Amino acid sequence: ETGVTQSPTHLIKTRGQQVTLRCSSQSGHNTVSWYQQALGQGPQFIFQYYREEENGRGNFPPRFSGLQFPNYSSELNVNALELDDSALYLCASSRGQGNTEAFFGQGTRLTVV
Amino acid sequence: QKEVEQDPGPLSVPEGAIVSLNCTYSNSAFQYFMWYRQYSRKGPELLMYTYSSGNKEDGRFTAQVDKSSKYISLFIRDSQPSDSATYLCAMTLTGYSTLTFGKGTMLLVSP
Repeated sequence: ETGVTQSPTHLIKTRGQQVTLRCSSQSGHNTVSWYQQALGQGPQFIFQYYREEENGRGNFPPRFSGLQFPNYSSELNVNALELDDSALYLCASSRGQGNTEAFFGQGTRLTVV
Repeated sequence: QKEVEQDPGPLSVPEGAIVSLNCTYSNSAFQYFMWYRQYSRKGPELLMYTYSSGNKEDGRFTAQVDKSSKYISLFIRDSQPSDSATYLCAMTLTGYSTLTFGKGTMLLVSP
């Protein structure tokens, strides 16, 4: 058990709506990264937060935004949902800014209809 | 050309077989190489990581990196049905940069 928890586990939203996904990092970890995994694909990096600051961003539009809180938990917000946003959203936590030992949560399965 | 290429499989083997899973990559600047195991409907689980070229062993698993060929491998000895999962390779430029994943290889180990 990695200790990284995500909520909710499943979600169905309508195109155009907004969604918030949540992640609690493993104890002692202060870095959280978010990834999008489409069916049959590897995870794609969305962004990373270190000590409440965005610390890197992948090739995702601004309607993907996030937050990290003082307890290092994090949120991923997606506005104006599109059908292609349907995917497994993964949160990974790590110690410091390192990514060699990043531990993933079980993911949130988002379906946009 | 994708940065990281991985055969999606499925790779089907009998129990007890030695399994070889591989990735190739195009960016010679990658320094750290990871292998993750992902069961259906679960998040990826880190198996091991390796820095630069060489081998690393952990129980039944051996990771191998050949930077000159831009090729990494994961070997699983004495494979078990519980090893049936998708195996993802990932790599990063430094220990602090983002992970770039392959698509994953689905492994099926039959009893």
